[in-house]
Amino acid sequence: QSFLTQPPSASGTPGQRVTISCSGSGSNLGSLAVNWYRQLPGTAPQLLIYSDTQRPSGVPDRFSASKSGTSASLAISGLQSEDEATYFCAAWDDSLNGRVFGGGTKLTVL
Amino acid sequence: EVQLLESGGDLVQPGGSLRLSCAASGFTFSSYAMSWVRQAPGKGLEWVSAISGGGSNTYYTDSVKGRFTISRDNSKNTLYLQMNSLRAEDTGIYYCAKDPIYDWLPGNWFDPWGQGTLVTVSS
Repeated sequence: QSFLTQPPSASGTPGQRVTISCSGSGSNLGSLAVNWYRQLPGTAPQLLIYSDTQRPSGVPDRFSASKSGTSASLAISGLQSEDEATYFCAAWDDSLNGRVFGGGTKLTVL
Repeated sequence: EVQLLESGGDLVQPGGSLRLSCAASGFTFSSYAMSWVRQAPGKGLEWVSAISGGGSNTYYTDSVKGRFTISRDNSKNTLYLQMNSLRAEDTGIYYCAKDPIYDWLPGNWFDPWGQGTLVTVSS
């Protein structure tokens, strides 16, 4: 059981816009920023979004994120086949006194 | 280019020990906090342990406290994870990851990650 809840799967067609949700509580998303990671099949995770909405250099602006209260979401517009991956949200949790991850959402591009 | 290269993963029996290493390059290693994050086969991610840039402050998730020890040798640009009393549930890929600053702080993130090393605990 994860501290942050994500849907296990999502899907979309090329060019479509998809969103992935991340739900937490006051001890995590409600207190500090959320970060998002992408894990392509068979590879290590990569930072996608940090501090709720910031994109590291090299991440295209097709990726955007938002947070409100104890919920966050990642949006991918102009979906491409190479976006097929598992997406994880992450945040600090006061009760664990450590960083926690969502269970991951596997995105399929149909 | 920042690079992190883990090694040391192996098959070990329950109750055994293992030491993982993470060789860093492309940045001033001593200036950044570092972490270990693991991923059980086919499962999600779990933060395991972290250490500040100078090595004086260490942090652990509850399930590994008293069994795992994180350390670093800044003269060798290398991060370590000593794992003792290993259990089946410790099985997974162990990634090392870099923090954006010297101190390991709540609001920060992991970037980049190494490619991981596989630890299998089984008899």
